[in-house]
Amino acid sequence: NAGVTQTPKFQVLKTGQSMTLQCAQDMNHNSMYWYRQDPGMGLRLIYYSASEGTTDKGEVPNGYNVSRLNKREFSLRLESAAPSQTSVYFCASSERGHEQYFGPGTRLTVT
Amino acid sequence: GQQVMQIPQYQHVQEGEDFTTYCNSSTTLSNIQWYKQRPGGHPVFLIQLVKSGEVKKQKRLTFQFGEAKKNSSLHITATQTTDVGTYFCAGPIYGGSQGNLIFGKGTKLSVKP
Repeated sequence: NAGVTQTPKFQVLKTGQSMTLQCAQDMNHNSMYWYRQDPGMGLRLIYYSASEGTTDKGEVPNGYNVSRLNKREFSLRLESAAPSQTSVYFCASSERGHEQYFGPGTRLTVT
Repeated sequence: GQQVMQIPQYQHVQEGEDFTTYCNSSTTLSNIQWYKQRPGGHPVFLIQLVKSGEVKKQKRLTFQFGEAKKNSSLHITATQTTDVGTYFCAGPIYGGSQGNLIFGKGTKLSVKP
């Protein structure tokens, strides 16, 4: 039982490059989330998916897109990376109204 | 907009001292959750409080939910080096999809041996 897994763990991009962050959970949760964490800013919700086939914007969605591929997988795409997107990205999953389980994070640097 | 505020932002204590972090919401919350994030790690769920005035204990950790369900606190008795990390409170986003949380910015605890 791996919980929530994320790939890659680290990534360095140049401005303008694109990439996709992958997330998968094996807990059969309906809801999945993408957060970014910046120093002193806590966790900010980028996008979420309340169930398979649905996605919605969170607090800071600009510059990102998501895909809920199936119930297990929820990916985050940066189409044209910017230095302001340098951050730690966490994926999480939960059943509605219950605690969230977080993945180990992806540390992204955009130069 | 809805806000969840935590104080203090940082706390440095000597091992064995007590520690408290406070969480205040701009709106009434149906519940509040607490998470701990070790340095370099990911947030890990600690507890959820649901009832007005609720108090829950986990060993040396005591969690309280205010009577008005707008504030909460986490108290650690006799801190240990294993308590080091950042503690976040989080509440449901008002009017949002059930399950979406708004997080406080966290209190970073350091413990000097």
